[in-house]
Amino acid sequence: QSVLTQPPSVSGAPGQTVTISCTGSSSNIGANYAVHWYQHIPGTAPKLLIYGDTNRPSGVPARFSGSKSGTSASLAITGLQAEDEADYYCHSYDNSLSGPVVFGGGTKLTVL
Amino acid sequence: EVQLVESGGTLVQPGGSLRLSCVASGFTLSPYAIHWVRQAPGKGLECVSTISNKGGATYYADSVKDRFTISRDDSENTVYLQMGSLRDEDMGVYYCARGVAVTTYFDHWGQGTLVTVSS
Repeated sequence: QSVLTQPPSVSGAPGQTVTISCTGSSSNIGANYAVHWYQHIPGTAPKLLIYGDTNRPSGVPARFSGSKSGTSASLAITGLQAEDEADYYCHSYDNSLSGPVVFGGGTKLTVL
Repeated sequence: EVQLVESGGTLVQPGGSLRLSCVASGFTLSPYAIHWVRQAPGKGLECVSTISNKGGATYYADSVKDRFTISRDDSENTVYLQMGSLRDEDMGVYYCARGVAVTTYFDHWGQGTLVTVSS
């Protein structure tokens, strides 16, 4: 059971918009700790998509955006493309745990 | 170009030991925290261990505490994960990842090394 809760799967047709939620609590996202998002295609290195809630690293398309409110964060992907099919993970810090890193359980995005 | 390259993964029997290495290139390792993140078959990402810059602080997931030890040799630009008393549930792909600090995002990841635990 992950500290951060994500839907196991989402899907969308090419060109559509999908949103992936990441729900935490008052000891992580709700305490205003930053949320980060990664894209992972199995067999490859995970890739940083969003850092500090809303920021995109250089090279990440503007189709990817992040937001945060209260104890939840979201990753939105607009203009869905076939190459976006991957697993997506949120990451934050939790002040009630012994370690500095908590991940969501991951969301599998299927492009129909 | 920033690169992290993991090695050391192999087939090991339950109860055995293994040392993974993460070699950094294209940047100086010393200012950065390094994390070891694993993905068990069919499962999500789990951060099993973290070492701060200069090795001043180390962290372990409860699932590996007292069995795994993380260390770093900045002169060799390398971080190690010594794994002991290995269990079936330790099997998976192990990635190392770089962070500016222990609590911040991971801006670069390695390709991973596969650890198989089986008799």
